[in-house]
Amino acid sequence: GIQVEQSPPDLILQEGANSTLRCNFSDSVNNLQWFHQNPWGQLINLFYIPSGTKQNGRLSATTVATERYSLLYISSSQTTDSGVYFCAVVPKGGSEKLVFGKGTKLTVNP
Amino acid sequence: NAGVTQTPKFQVLKTGQSMTLQCAQDMNHEYMSWYRQDPGMGLRLIHYSVGAGITDQGEVPNGYNVSRSTTEDFPLRLLSAAPSQTSVYFCASSHRREQFFGPGTRLTVL
Repeated sequence: GIQVEQSPPDLILQEGANSTLRCNFSDSVNNLQWFHQNPWGQLINLFYIPSGTKQNGRLSATTVATERYSLLYISSSQTTDSGVYFCAVVPKGGSEKLVFGKGTKLTVNP
Repeated sequence: NAGVTQTPKFQVLKTGQSMTLQCAQDMNHEYMSWYRQDPGMGLRLIHYSVGAGITDQGEVPNGYNVSRSTTEDFPLRLLSAAPSQTSVYFCASSHRREQFFGPGTRLTVL
C-alpha cells in the first residue's frame, strides 16, 4: 500500500520562528489533507490540498502531486501552534480511505 | 451544525466486556469511517461505510463490528474487549473527499 512519510518527526521552536513540515507519499493520490492534533487530542482540519497552494492566516500549504510531496509552512509560530501535525492521503482508486503519516510533533516555546 | 459527535468521551472496560461506541453526524455525509490512534502513531482505519446499508473493512478490522442503518449514525461495536484495543477512537465523515473528525473516545481495557 501507499507509504506516507513525514519529516521531521520532532521540531522545537521559539515563539515567532518559521517552520516547514514535509510529507512525502509513494503513489498517486486523490486527496491530501493536513491536520493539527492539539494537546487535548482534537483533530483540526487545516487544509484539503490534493494539488496547488493554499493559505490560511499564518499557515500555508503546497502540494506538488507530480513529485509526490506536500509542504506545510507555519510562520511567526505561537505557543498555540504546539501539537502534532498529520498529513493524510487517499490513494487513487482507494475510495475515501485516508492513510496517515506518523506526524510531526511541534513544540513552540515562549 | 454539531458536526461529528462521539459518545462516550472516556470508557474503561474489563477484558471480555462488550460495548458500543456511538458516532453521529448531521451534515448528511454519505461516507463515514472509524479510526484508532495508538501512542506515537497516526490513525489507522478500522471500518468504513459509503452509505446506509453498506460497510467494509479497513486496515485493522479484527475485533470490531459496524453497521449503518441510517445516514446519520455509524456505531462501532466491541464484542469482547481485549487489552490490545486500548486506544483512542475517532469517527469521521466526509464531503467531496474532505474528511472531518469527531472529538474521539479514549478507551482503556483492563
